[in-house]
Amino acid sequence: DVKVTQSSRYLVKRTGEKVFLECVQDMDHENMFWYRQDPGLGLRLIYFSYDVKMKEKGDIPEGYSVSREKKERFSLILESASTNQTSMYLCASRPTISGGIEISTDTQYFGPGTRLTVL
Amino acid sequence: GQNIDQPTEMTATEGAIVQINCTYQTSGFNGLFWYQQHAGEAPTFLSYNVLDGLEEKGRFSSFLSRSKGYSYLLLKELQMKDSASYLCAANTGGFKTIFGAGTRLFVKA
Repeated sequence: DVKVTQSSRYLVKRTGEKVFLECVQDMDHENMFWYRQDPGLGLRLIYFSYDVKMKEKGDIPEGYSVSREKKERFSLILESASTNQTSMYLCASRPTISGGIEISTDTQYFGPGTRLTVL
Repeated sequence: GQNIDQPTEMTATEGAIVQINCTYQTSGFNGLFWYQQHAGEAPTFLSYNVLDGLEEKGRFSSFLSRSKGYSYLLLKELQMKDSASYLCAANTGGFKTIFGAGTRLFVKA
């Protein structure tokens, strides 16, 4: 079974703090994603990474940065947290290659989520 | 622009059948995902449709019409544990997926 873990389920931070959200997957997936989920808006892609040290902006990257130093770990960084970044943050991973075949259409596997509150 | 629409909430009775509709408009399209998400938990994969038509998996079936930009998820023999949010999501090419806001399904006894 694919396992995606996130460092915290619940986090409370103050405005202006630097926040690190960590995500680890154990299935050797090439691709990892960070989403935020807000009521009425669904999941919105913040950043994704298709390889170590590679990153691409998603739909709402402003106010966020990411780091992928190792294949299994993808970190989301809020340089200076603001109240409008209060949200549920979901990490996901997805393979590119499975059984020697490129499968760009495979599903993503999600972590349990981190509910971040910025006061 | 890119847009995915699905109803916000639905209510159905235990044992009944419910159909959750989804319409999409995207600049690229490879296929359509459905995910189930229980409150406070991660989304879990239900189905992925690439070709037009109905695909059945036990109590759950998913339908796609690419020409109409339309999909539905059909849940049969509803159980209380089916109370959850159901997310429609379009694979728009490469590794990008666009998600709808989700439909909250309430199953009542």
